[in-house]
Amino acid sequence: QKEVEQNSGPLSVPEGAIASLNCTYSDRGSQSFFWYRQYSGKSPELIMSIYSNGDKEDGRFTAQLNKASQYVSLLIRDSQPSDSATYLCAPTGGFKTIFGAGTRLFVKA
Amino acid sequence: DVKVTQSSRYLVKRTGEKVFLECVQDMDHENMFWYRQDPGLGLRLIYFSYDVKMKEKGDIPEGYSVSREKKERFSLILESASTNQTSMYLCASSLRGFSGNTIYFGEGSWLTVV
Repeated sequence: QKEVEQNSGPLSVPEGAIASLNCTYSDRGSQSFFWYRQYSGKSPELIMSIYSNGDKEDGRFTAQLNKASQYVSLLIRDSQPSDSATYLCAPTGGFKTIFGAGTRLFVKA
Repeated sequence: DVKVTQSSRYLVKRTGEKVFLECVQDMDHENMFWYRQDPGLGLRLIYFSYDVKMKEKGDIPEGYSVSREKKERFSLILESASTNQTSMYLCASSLRGFSGNTIYFGEGSWLTVV
């Protein structure tokens, strides 16, 4: 079993729809959870972080965390073509961050 | 803005060559990392350093070494390049401490070994 599981996609949604990206992790010691966005040929950039159970909203993005289920998700409302990228889930515990392989999102105009 | 600079963006090297990948960060971060990224495998940690002259092996250190002589600079060395080391290499940095510190990435170095 991989330490961080993400559906590789591609996840295809129409412009204006909600994109839902999911991630499960195996390390119960993970304390912080990050979502990075990576455009093709570019390096990852942080878009959201969440540390406690529940929802955290930032603009069009909402991160959701359920530590008991070892599950974290990212919702993107009003999806735009510019959101088309790969989204990496990154649970972190101590010094160690484990990155998922990412979900490719494609937003159709 | 944090800036992590990787000096070489695209390299083509021959099998058996010694390869140096250089990385500099300008935000006085204690932690520095080297990852490689391959399709379907995500980011895999090669080595990290939490202080000058300190280094720790990551998940895939075989065939690599690192050097951190100054706080702002972290070098990745491929002792004898092989074709299975063809990949994108990402340098990153973060503040000292546990968990909640954002990792900032450089632009990446695309290495092809022929």
